[in-house]
Amino acid sequence: QSALTQPASVSGSPGQSITISCTGTSSDVGSYSLVSWYQQHPDKAPKIMIYEVTKRPSGVSDRFSGSKSGNTASLTISGLQAEDEADYYCCSYAGSSGWVFGGGTKLTVL
Amino acid sequence: QITLKESGPTLVKPTQTLTLTCTFSGFSLSTSAEGVGWIRQPPGKALEWLALIYWDDDKRYSPSLKSRLTITKDTSKNQVVLTVTNMDPVDTATYFCTHIGFSAFDIWGQGTLVTVSS
Repeated sequence: QSALTQPASVSGSPGQSITISCTGTSSDVGSYSLVSWYQQHPDKAPKIMIYEVTKRPSGVSDRFSGSKSGNTASLTISGLQAEDEADYYCCSYAGSSGWVFGGGTKLTVL
Repeated sequence: QITLKESGPTLVKPTQTLTLTCTFSGFSLSTSAEGVGWIRQPPGKALEWLALIYWDDDKRYSPSLKSRLTITKDTSKNQVVLTVTNMDPVDTATYFCTHIGFSAFDIWGQGTLVTVSS
């Protein structure tokens, strides 16, 4: 069970859009529509932003969207705001191996 | 409103067993489809899923740590307990308990930092 692969960092200016990729395998991301995304600000607990690949929990801005193609899931944040600066983690169900997280991506809003 | 809170020692010695308790409110682990999971995060590093337990006592463990983990529930006390045997300095991390909802970890506790040092 290896961690999902995410870019270590991404950046964007306010108002721009960014996309964070999350690459797994046919045993996790590619096999299940159970990919979720979490936002974590420094010294805080993670917060769920996306579940089941594309769904947003109540209260999460519609600037956040998710998608999946094959073994790669993506999180897109449109209309970047300063408050979006945080670490983002993807997570996928992996069948008999349980759940696996990505290595995390640090988003910097320039 | 669902809330969860972790409790346990902040410092353990190498080779000792860590016992963490998650006390929750706003749901019952005797209700169908409910579950509680444990996730940890070493300082400055990524999240790592450890274990989870469902309302029907179905238990799942991280394959890489399975031999060292035990998760149990006390439905009457609204608590879930995680034990980790043979602690090592590399196990130093913030340990989070979470509610399982929407097939994801939808509500998180504040986390508790556990340091392993002699």
